[in-house]
Amino acid sequence: DAKTTQPPSMDCAEGRAANLPCNHSTISGNEYVYWYRQIHSQGPQYIIHGLKNNETNEMASLIITEDRKSSTLILPHATLRDTAVYYCIVRVQGAQKLVFGQGTRLTINP
Amino acid sequence: DTGVSQNPRHKITKRGQNVTFRCDPISEHNRLYWYRQTLGQGPEFLTYFQNEAQLEKSRLLSDRFSAERPKGSFSTLEIQRTEQGDSAMYLCASSLVPLTDTQYFGPGTRLTVL
Repeated sequence: DAKTTQPPSMDCAEGRAANLPCNHSTISGNEYVYWYRQIHSQGPQYIIHGLKNNETNEMASLIITEDRKSSTLILPHATLRDTAVYYCIVRVQGAQKLVFGQGTRLTINP
Repeated sequence: DTGVSQNPRHKITKRGQNVTFRCDPISEHNRLYWYRQTLGQGPEFLTYFQNEAQLEKSRLLSDRFSAERPKGSFSTLEIQRTEQGDSAMYLCASSLVPLTDTQYFGPGTRLTVL
């Protein structure tokens, strides 16, 4: 699985859009980009995933660059409950495991 | 609530004791995964099952660890002769392949070894 690089921490004001970047310059053509988050002392929560097209669901939007070497997770209107560690993971569909890095600790400030 | 349940949620034990954790995956999910997470780190893969077959074990899974999924539904993870280094959050996830393959995690079992 390709390696990902994320900033260790970010801050965002409540009500603003939170944009979380992820670099995955060695991604292969058949690897998907997955995003999970983990709120303190809970299990990781699936957010969204995509291959090459931008994706949107009720939680977030995923923007993948045309060369697929980086992506951005967008939380459109961040709330205090979005404070969590966000993990960007690349993996082949059907691969056995998720390989988690250190993630980005996102703090939403009132 | 993802539909994956884990019991117990917390376990405190003394060094040398055996402990067993249970995971109930989302109904009909054919894959079940175990991960371990220590403080300040991301989850690390331990093992996974497809139906009742255990198909991969990480090198992290020492011979004191054993996992089963006897009927392809719930799974148990047993740690024998616990050590202080086993203190961690043990996470279970499930998925349905090949349909969606997204892994959904349970709330975890936090183990403290005194």
